[in-house]
Amino acid sequence: AQSVTQLGSHVSVSEGALVLLRCNYSSSVPPYLFWYVQYPNQGLQLLLKYTSAATLVKGINGFEAEFKKSETSFHLTKPSAHMSDAAEYFCAVSDYSGAGSYQLTFGKGTKLSVIP
Amino acid sequence: DAGITQSPRHKVTETGTPVTLRCHQTENHRYMYWYRQDPGHGLRLIHYSYGVKDTDKGEVSDGYSVSRSKTEDFLLTLESATSSQTSVYFCAIRGVGADGYTFGSGTRLTVV
Repeated sequence: AQSVTQLGSHVSVSEGALVLLRCNYSSSVPPYLFWYVQYPNQGLQLLLKYTSAATLVKGINGFEAEFKKSETSFHLTKPSAHMSDAAEYFCAVSDYSGAGSYQLTFGKGTKLSVIP
Repeated sequence: DAGITQSPRHKVTETGTPVTLRCHQTENHRYMYWYRQDPGHGLRLIHYSYGVKDTDKGEVSDGYSVSRSKTEDFLLTLESATSSQTSVYFCAIRGVGADGYTFGSGTRLTVV
């Protein structure tokens, strides 16, 4: 089974600073990779996904992520943090489990705080 | 949204009682999933279904059972609720392909 490691359970950045949230995965085959965002007391919202097309994936709200096979990484970045980016972010990988079925495996999440 | 609803949205129940959560979809998707979300653990897969009457266990299936008697409904049952099952439960559906997941709004369950 796949596994996902998110480095840093809490990350703080100043407003206007670069946001970098790290995600590494284990995989023996090219994976499908996702970033989700969750605002307080809300559900999951898809930020972006990698499905073996372009390695640099652009998502909503100015976020992007780069798939690096050699590093088994899929880090999430945003050039300039905004107060509204404060949320919890989850990296996930889609894993084939047989019988045509896939499972989505999540990292433990990174809570992003933005300091004014 | 994409046609997935969870009910109830909130529930408080007592230890030892059975509880059933419902996930309903209008997308006719084959694959359905139940996850639980706990602080510091992210989302963990409880059970999933790959067709009517076809289900399998996930990472944290102990104490849970599921049923899928028709395509649109996937039920999660806590046979005898415990305080450790206090959590937020999310249902997800997936269409064709490995990347088309859609999540419900979640059910917040408190076991007292």
